[in-house]
Amino acid sequence: NAGVTQTPKFQVLKTGQSMTLQCAQDMNHNSMYWYRQDPGMGLRLIYYSASEGTTDKGEVPNGYNVSRLNKREFSLRLESAAPSQTSVYFCASSVESPAYEQFFGPGTRLTVL
Amino acid sequence: GENVEQHPSTLSVQEGDSAVIKCTYSDSASNYFPWYKQELGKRPQLIIDIRSNVGEKKDQRIAVTLNKTAKHFSLHITETQPEDSAVYFCAASKSRANNLFFGTGTRLTVIP
Repeated sequence: NAGVTQTPKFQVLKTGQSMTLQCAQDMNHNSMYWYRQDPGMGLRLIYYSASEGTTDKGEVPNGYNVSRLNKREFSLRLESAAPSQTSVYFCASSVESPAYEQFFGPGTRLTVL
Repeated sequence: GENVEQHPSTLSVQEGDSAVIKCTYSDSASNYFPWYKQELGKRPQLIIDIRSNVGEKKDQRIAVTLNKTAKHFSLHITETQPEDSAVYFCAASKSRANNLFFGTGTRLTVIP
């Protein structure tokens, strides 16, 4: 039981490049989330998926897109990376809504030059 | 949306002493209040949570109290140990909502 996994662990991009962050969970959870973590700002929700086939914007969705490929996988795409997107990105899942324990992945440290 | 404020931003205590971290929230409809611990370079992990139908919850050395009227909740760690050193985040959410709103974190250092 791996829990929540993310790839890659580290990534360096140039401004304007695109990339996809991958996330998968093996806990049969319905809800999945993408957060970014910046120094002094805690965790902020980028996008949320309540179930397969549904996605909703969180606090800071601009510049990102997501895909809930199936119940296990939830990917985050940066179409044209900007330095302001330099951050640590965490994927998480919970059995249902955010009002239940969220299990986090190990994170992806992204630097945009 | 919800606004969660957390204080202090840093806290240093001697080993064996108690530590208290406080959070306030703005949305009176919020009814779920978890606390996450994040060690350096690691992922956040839930340590305790409380729902608005109870005022206090304990788990060994950790306790959380909730004051719905004042819209604040606190994390209490007793008999602190060096392994308690980490960043602690409070958060708030409401049922059927799409978001869990986090505080900005408290860096706790336990001095041996």
